[in-house]
Amino acid sequence: EVRLVETGGGLIQPGKSLRLSCAASGFTVSSNYMSWVRQAPGKGLEWVSVIYAGGTTFYADSVKGRFTVSRDNSKNTLYLQMNSLRAEDTAVYYCAREIWFGARTYFDYWGQGTLVTVSS
Amino acid sequence: SSELTQDPAVSVALGQTVRITCQGDSLRTSYASWYQQKPGQAPVLVMYDKNYRPSGIPDRFSGSTSGNAASLTITGAQAEDEADYYCNSRDSSGNHLVFGGGTKLTVL
Repeated sequence: EVRLVETGGGLIQPGKSLRLSCAASGFTVSSNYMSWVRQAPGKGLEWVSVIYAGGTTFYADSVKGRFTVSRDNSKNTLYLQMNSLRAEDTAVYYCAREIWFGARTYFDYWGQGTLVTVSS
Repeated sequence: SSELTQDPAVSVALGQTVRITCQGDSLRTSYASWYQQKPGQAPVLVMYDKNYRPSGIPDRFSGSTSGNAASLTITGAQAEDEADYYCNSRDSSGNHLVFGGGTKLTVL
């Protein structure tokens, strides 16, 4: 059974750093495209970052230069290092597995999300 | 453009048919996928590619695409279909992903 479990959220002051984890089971993280998606309170979904099976990463403009996505193959876990946090980064953060080939792309599995609140 | 546009809200009478639309240039090169999200829950994939439903999604859900637009149709809407619906695709560069703003579906 495929499962994604995010941890690491919490209350953090502006300007500080936080690392989120997404532990996967039922499949191999390093063989898949893995994304982070966030949702601010009462708002829509916003794609944050992706890491390809080959290790290439991409980021939304809103987090580029501040956030870093990585993975630990031995732990089958995805991470999101978030630096220089801002109030507008407050959101539920989801990790999701993407299936992508040709024109076909979709997120078939999502975690339950972890809430990050940036406030003084 | 890397944006996907959705109507903010749509309503449908119980048992009737409703279409939720998504428009954007990226849909000319990438199929849309659709997600249902109920309050306090993670999104759930309900449609992908031209018109494919994941296992467990009722067949009253169907999808279509034409030019720069994609649609999710619910034929015979049920009370449990009341939720937010989001479309998603890769952007024109192929390296970023983008979500529509979401459509809140109310079943009357």
